[in-house]
Amino acid sequence: RKEVEQDPGPFNVPEGATVAFNCTYSNSASQSFFWYRQDCRKEPKLLMSVYSSGNEDGRFTAQLNRASQYISLLIRDSKLSDSATYLCVVNRKAGTALIFGKGTTLSVSS
Amino acid sequence: NAGVTQTPKFQVLKTGQSMTLQCAQDMNHNSMYWYRQDPGMGLRLIYYSASEGTTDKGEVPNGYNVSRLNKREFSLRLESAAPSQTSVYFCASRGTGDTGELFFGEGSRLTVL
Repeated sequence: RKEVEQDPGPFNVPEGATVAFNCTYSNSASQSFFWYRQDCRKEPKLLMSVYSSGNEDGRFTAQLNRASQYISLLIRDSKLSDSATYLCVVNRKAGTALIFGKGTTLSVSS
Repeated sequence: NAGVTQTPKFQVLKTGQSMTLQCAQDMNHNSMYWYRQDPGMGLRLIYYSASEGTTDKGEVPNGYNVSRLNKREFSLRLESAAPSQTSVYFCASRGTGDTGELFFGEGSRLTVL
């Protein structure tokens, strides 16, 4: 089983839709969790960190469920510019490398 | 601000040739990483360096060597390139603390014929 698993999609949604991505991780000792965004043929960039209490940044909401080892990202009111690949990222412990999921592709159409 | 700089951006090699991918960061970060990205495979960690003078294997280290030359520079070497090493290579760095923000270079696209 891969350490970080995501539904690869693609998710094809119209503008204004709400879409949710899910991610599971296998190492229960994992300490930190993040969502990265990657545009086509570009480098990944941090979208947001994921905290146990849940956190929101504008139209984006991230949730963490440690008991189920599950992370989610909710995007409300999708924009064309949200089209990208969203990468779930887990850090086992401080000082070690970040482990990336394969990514979920989102395509928002007008 | 340059951030993380990788060279070369594109390279074509023949099987058996060697080459070194260079990476430098100007953010005074302790940790540096090399990932490769292949279609449908996501980003896979090749090697990382938690601090100057240390290196550790990641998920897919076979066929690669690394050198943490100093705090700024972390190079990746292919001693005898194989077609399976055709990929996009990303170097990244991260500062102290656990913010999780990796800063990536723009990537190096390598083709091995």
